[in-house]
Amino acid sequence: KQEVTQIPAALSVPEGENLVLNCSFTDSAIYNLQWFRQDPGKGLTSLLLIQSSQREQTSGRLNASLDKSSGRSTLYIAASQPGDSATYLCAVISGNTGKLIFGQGTTLQVKP
Amino acid sequence: DAGVIQSPRHEVTEMGQEVTLRCKPISGHNSLFWYRQTMMRGLELLIYFNNNVPIDDSGMPEDRFSAKMPNASFSTLKIQPSEPRDSAVYFCASSFTRAETQYFGPGTRLLVL
Repeated sequence: KQEVTQIPAALSVPEGENLVLNCSFTDSAIYNLQWFRQDPGKGLTSLLLIQSSQREQTSGRLNASLDKSSGRSTLYIAASQPGDSATYLCAVISGNTGKLIFGQGTTLQVKP
Repeated sequence: DAGVIQSPRHEVTEMGQEVTLRCKPISGHNSLFWYRQTMMRGLELLIYFNNNVPIDDSGMPEDRFSAKMPNASFSTLKIQPSEPRDSAVYFCASSFTRAETQYFGPGTRLLVL
């Protein structure tokens, strides 16, 4: 059974700092991995999707990497801003079923 | 496009009542997903449809839960009878195919008293 873990559960950093969020999964036979952002009381916004054949994806200040063999992904946020404060969720699809298995998320606070 | 639309946004009901949640996916998307989010269990997939056909409902907690997708632009999730432990945020999401980026609606916050 696929399990997704995110560490740390919460993170507080000063504005401008570069930071890394971690995600690990137990079954390396994934179809893809997705990173989402969730603001309080809101739905999820897709940030990046990495196919199983890819090593990384970039969007603006965000860079996500994938290492299937070790069952790990990282989300790198450069030059963090207070507007980046949110909960970041990692999710994997095992096979091509479409079933997203989510981690519990990392709640990020960027202080001005 | 307006994105995934869910209604109602908030629902407060009493134990034993029937609750119906509604979802309109993004036009052209062939896959639709229903999720539930709680503090204790995080985000869990309840059921998903592909081309209006239920593919996997293994996440549906009990027979009290049922979901339908009568056409490509509408889906419902029904709870009958509702219980306090059903209180959660219910999200609907859609995607072009079942393994591509999923776009989430704003959610329905359900409180069962």
